[in-house]
Amino acid sequence: SQQGEEDPQALSIQEGENATMNCSYKTSINNLQWYRQNSGRGLVHLILIRSNEREKHSGRLRVTLDTSKKSSSLLITASRAADTASYFCATTVVGYSTLTFGKGTMLLVSP
Amino acid sequence: DTAVSQTPKYLVTQMGNDKSIKCEQNLGHDTMYWYKQDSKKFLKIMFSYNNKELIINETVPNRFSPKSPDKAHLNLHINSLELGDSAVYFCASRDINTGELFFGEGSRLTVL
Repeated sequence: SQQGEEDPQALSIQEGENATMNCSYKTSINNLQWYRQNSGRGLVHLILIRSNEREKHSGRLRVTLDTSKKSSSLLITASRAADTASYFCATTVVGYSTLTFGKGTMLLVSP
Repeated sequence: DTAVSQTPKYLVTQMGNDKSIKCEQNLGHDTMYWYKQDSKKFLKIMFSYNNKELIINETVPNRFSPKSPDKAHLNLHINSLELGDSAVYFCASRDINTGELFFGEGSRLTVL
């Protein structure tokens, strides 16, 4: 069954605002990754956070991981129209190498 | 240079036909995957290959047959296409050091 669930399903904001997306999962994980998918394109890796890490930054991206709550959040600061895309969390479950994806959050950033 | 390339990008075909999608990666990765993305954007793993050997087959109908002639290629052949096979199929390869997946641009299959 699906491991990750993103929330919200869709998010609409103005340029310059911050966007926060959440991901919850069900079983113990090795790591959690976030991917971006522009319309009609393949997925692109954004950031990976390991199960023993709590927070990670990459440019305007900030990811947190709370293994006690089995949840993660992706924050995009100072959003731009080019950030418009679907964002997916994906987890690697302990004992397996396969990535299981959530249903994604569709982010729309209006100029 | 494209890291993971899939062809064709679009396929439109009739029910009952057979079709193939090809995938090649030039990243030197050992592990490759096929994922299916439905109309609601849900990505579901179909197959995983490691160094030409099938590792995972996620209860996919046996009308779907992957083939890996070498570790850089993973092709997908689909027999007797059904309406429900309409989706975008993504090939991906995995960096064993980081766990990161590299995706192709997808192949959109439409079955009429």
